[in-house]
Amino acid sequence: DAMVIQNPRYQVTQFGKPVTLSCSQTLNHNVMYWYQQKSSQAPKLLFHYYDKDFNNEADTPDNFQSRRPNTSFCFLDIRSPGLGDAAMYLCATSRDGGFEKLFFGSGTQLSVL
Amino acid sequence: RKEVEQDPGPFNVPEGATVAFNCTYSNSASQSFFWYRQDCRKEPKLLMSVYSSGNEDGRFTAQLNRASQYISLLIRDSKLSDSATYLCVVNIANYGQNFVFGPGTRLSVLP
Repeated sequence: DAMVIQNPRYQVTQFGKPVTLSCSQTLNHNVMYWYQQKSSQAPKLLFHYYDKDFNNEADTPDNFQSRRPNTSFCFLDIRSPGLGDAAMYLCATSRDGGFEKLFFGSGTQLSVL
Repeated sequence: RKEVEQDPGPFNVPEGATVAFNCTYSNSASQSFFWYRQDCRKEPKLLMSVYSSGNEDGRFTAQLNRASQYISLLIRDSKLSDSATYLCVVNIANYGQNFVFGPGTRLSVLP
């Protein structure tokens, strides 16, 4: 089945130690998103790619970076994780267009020790 | 004012009850509307798209009122498995792809 796959499902890192989360998709969607979700809150958009065009949200900290080497893969790099970065990170995809849906991966739960 | 607002919840209802969730959005340019369901520590999953004419899927009915900028979700004959957080999501696609999430409404269906 076509899908959005995130690895790993759980990630533990140390304070200040860089970490990379990965996302791949077999849907061939041209838009990919990274969301951060903390407990009891709605997902918060960090950035998205429209094909190769990178779109950063104004309030996304510089500590968060992303790469999209090709249509299928997208990475989230957290350069120096702080305790406040512990959260669920959700990758999602959609097609372009006004009536398209979001398709989510299963998320990566990040813990920072 | 937040772009997408929902009933604050939580809603605690007995099995078999009918429950309705409300959602309002502020951007009149919004193009598409969805209800997502999210279980604890899981990803959001699409429950229903919401169409102007209203739509139904089994026990679930969604309504859209563009004039009032209002969306609703009705769940009939609630099951224990309906317990989850329900997220109202609006796509303001005039600004590229821009999915805006409501804060969610938590539902607990009690035996």
